[in-house]
Amino acid sequence: GEDVEQSLFLSVREGDSSVINCTYTDSSSTYLYWYKQEPGAGLQLLTYIFSNMDMKQDQRLTVLLNKKDKHLSLRIADTQTGDSAIYFCAESNTNTGTASKLTFGTGTRLQVTL
Amino acid sequence: KAGVTQTPRYLIKTRGQQVTLSCSPISGHRSVSWYQQTPGQGLQFLFEYFSETQRNKGNFPGRFSGRQFSNSRSEMNVSTLELGDSALYLCASSYTGTGIDEQYFGPGTRLTVT
Repeated sequence: GEDVEQSLFLSVREGDSSVINCTYTDSSSTYLYWYKQEPGAGLQLLTYIFSNMDMKQDQRLTVLLNKKDKHLSLRIADTQTGDSAIYFCAESNTNTGTASKLTFGTGTRLQVTL
Repeated sequence: KAGVTQTPRYLIKTRGQQVTLSCSPISGHRSVSWYQQTPGQGLQFLFEYFSETQRNKGNFPGRFSGRQFSNSRSEMNVSTLELGDSALYLCASSYTGTGIDEQYFGPGTRLTVT
């Protein structure tokens, strides 16, 4: 079955860039997503990328996809304390009939220090 | 526009009991998905409903069931509760659940089984 892996923890200083990495196993993944979860809250979609793209930039966020290595990364420029949260990588594919069935990674806790 | 609402937010039940959780999607959204989040297993897909029909299902035992009403509101039911069912249950809604149709997550219902 599908598997999505992430490192558990990342600590960065305010103002630095953060890079959160993710690897996945499903070669038929169609969409890859990054979600953010703050304490006591649900998941917020930050950005997504189609599997036929290499890169996507959205303001402070840059997503890089290496399809050959099945590696996805999220770069947050000028990281702020408000970026402290858990970040989940997720994938879906249309082989399941819909794109609603998301397979999530384990989540990376980002800690931003002053 | 109001977000996805889930009720109740917190619930404590005893082993062997059953529980019903409710999810009201964003107005106009017809797809509702449910996820279970635990520290050990992470975020796992339970099922998805669209137009009152279960369209996709994850790998959970038959004790987990759901339904969707004509107004797109959804309920999930867990019968014969086990300690391992303690989790945060998240629901997400989207217009159709296809393509890159963004899923909006509710804050979740935290279920504790004692």
